Amino acid sequence: GDSVTQTEGLVTLTKGLPVMLNCTYQTTYSPFLFWYVQHLNEAPKLLLKSSTDNKRTEHQGFYATLHKSSSSFHLQKSSVQLSDSALYFCALIEAGYQNFYFGKGTSLTVIP
Amino acid sequence: EAAVTQSPRNKVAVTGGKVTLSCNQTNNHNNMYWYRQDTGHGLRLIHYSYGAGSTEKGDIPDGYKASRPSQENFSLILELATPSQTSVYFCASGERTSYAEQFFGPGTRLTVL
Repeated sequence: GDSVTQTEGLVTLTKGLPVMLNCTYQTTYSPFLFWYVQHLNEAPKLLLKSSTDNKRTEHQGFYATLHKSSSSFHLQKSSVQLSDSALYFCALIEAGYQNFYFGKGTSLTVIP
Repeated sequence: EAAVTQSPRNKVAVTGGKVTLSCNQTNNHNNMYWYRQDTGHGLRLIHYSYGAGSTEKGDIPDGYKASRPSQENFSLILELATPSQTSVYFCASGERTSYAEQFFGPGTRLTVL
């Protein structure tokens, strides 16, 4: 099966509402988890990352907590803005390895 | 800031032709990667490299070769291009640590007719 699963392909939200984008993973090694964001016609860029269990990490209003017990690293924001419209990728690297596993991505569209 | 450039930015090729996509990075990163991006599949790893002279197969290497002649340059080669290789290709570089961020180039849009 997939190493990284993002269950939502498309999410449409009204500006100001909260969002949670799901990410679960499979690995037998110690994981490093990442969220990348890709705006239209741009390259993916790192949004945030974590390897510490149960510690919240934040950047640009987005936050995520790595939960190793449930193999999850969901991305959240309390109030989405129009500029948050983008493609969001969850990614996993296993400790000691050099390649990444990307999820299929979630397209977030924020409407006025 | 990290700088990864790709050339060409757009390419139209014919079926059976040879295509070379080039990537240059000025970050002095050891690791470099080639991905393709297709709707519904996200980013898929084709080849990667740990340094000059090294290339490794990623998840979908069939139909692709890679070359890393120097620390700065990493090429992706399609010896016999097929329409199924129509896609957007991204190059990325990163340091050789498990927790390293990858820095992506602007992408190359390849169309194989």
